[in-house]
Amino acid sequence: DAGITQSPRHKVTETGTPVTLRCHQTENHRYMYWYRQDPGHGLRLIHYSYGVKDTDKGEVSDGYSVSRSKTEDFLLTLESATSSQTSVYFCAIPGTDKNEQFFGPGTRLTVL
Amino acid sequence: TQLLEQSPQFLSIQEGENLTVYCNSSSVFSSLQWYRQEPGEGPVLLVTVVTGGEVKKLKRLTFQFGDARKDSSLHITAAQPGDTGLYLCAGGAHSLGSNDYKLSFGAGTTVTVRA
Repeated sequence: DAGITQSPRHKVTETGTPVTLRCHQTENHRYMYWYRQDPGHGLRLIHYSYGVKDTDKGEVSDGYSVSRSKTEDFLLTLESATSSQTSVYFCAIPGTDKNEQFFGPGTRLTVL
Repeated sequence: TQLLEQSPQFLSIQEGENLTVYCNSSSVFSSLQWYRQEPGEGPVLLVTVVTGGEVKKLKRLTFQFGDARKDSSLHITAAQPGDTGLYLCAGGAHSLGSNDYKLSFGAGTTVTVRA
C-alpha cells in the first residue's frame, strides 16, 4: 500500500471556525491531491499540488486554501468553516502509473 | 454537472447473479479507472484501461473501455457478498496547456450482494 496518511480522521467543529486537515506521504511524489466526497457527487477535486509551494485549484476550490511547505505534507485549510463543507475529505498521490491514484483513509468533517 | 455519468446509482442483487455497471461521458479520456470503496475507507484501484476497445479481466470482474474512449463498463459474474461496495469510475486527462494530470470521477454505483 502507498504510504499516505491523513489527520485527523474525524473532526466536529462549529460554523465560522478555522480547520486544517493534514495529508502526509512517504512516497516522495511531486503531486498530491485533495478531494471531497459527498453523496451523489462522487469525488470532486478541491486543490492539488505539483511541487513544494506549487499548488493549483480544482473544480470546488471556493472556501478552501492549501499549502505545501515540504514534499511529504499537503495541508488543506478551511478559513471559516460552513455547514456546506461537511463532507469526507480524501488526499491522494499518483501511483507508479500516472493514470492511477492512491487514496488516504479520509477525514470525516462535520460543521455544525 | 458530472463529467462522468454512472448507472445505475444503486444495485441490489442475490449472490450468484451477474451485474453490470456503466460509466458514460461526452468527453474523451486518455485512460479510465475503476475503483472500489468500502465504508470508512478510501477508494482502492481495481483496474486501468487506456486503449479504445480494451477488455481486461480480473477473476470474476470484466472491464471494457469503449472504442471512442468515452465510456466503460464493469461486469461482475456470479457476484458474492464480498463484492458489496461503492464502485467509482474515473477518467484521466491532462489539463489544457499543462502537464498536470487530473481525474474526474463519476458519482458511483452502490452495489449490494445479498447472501
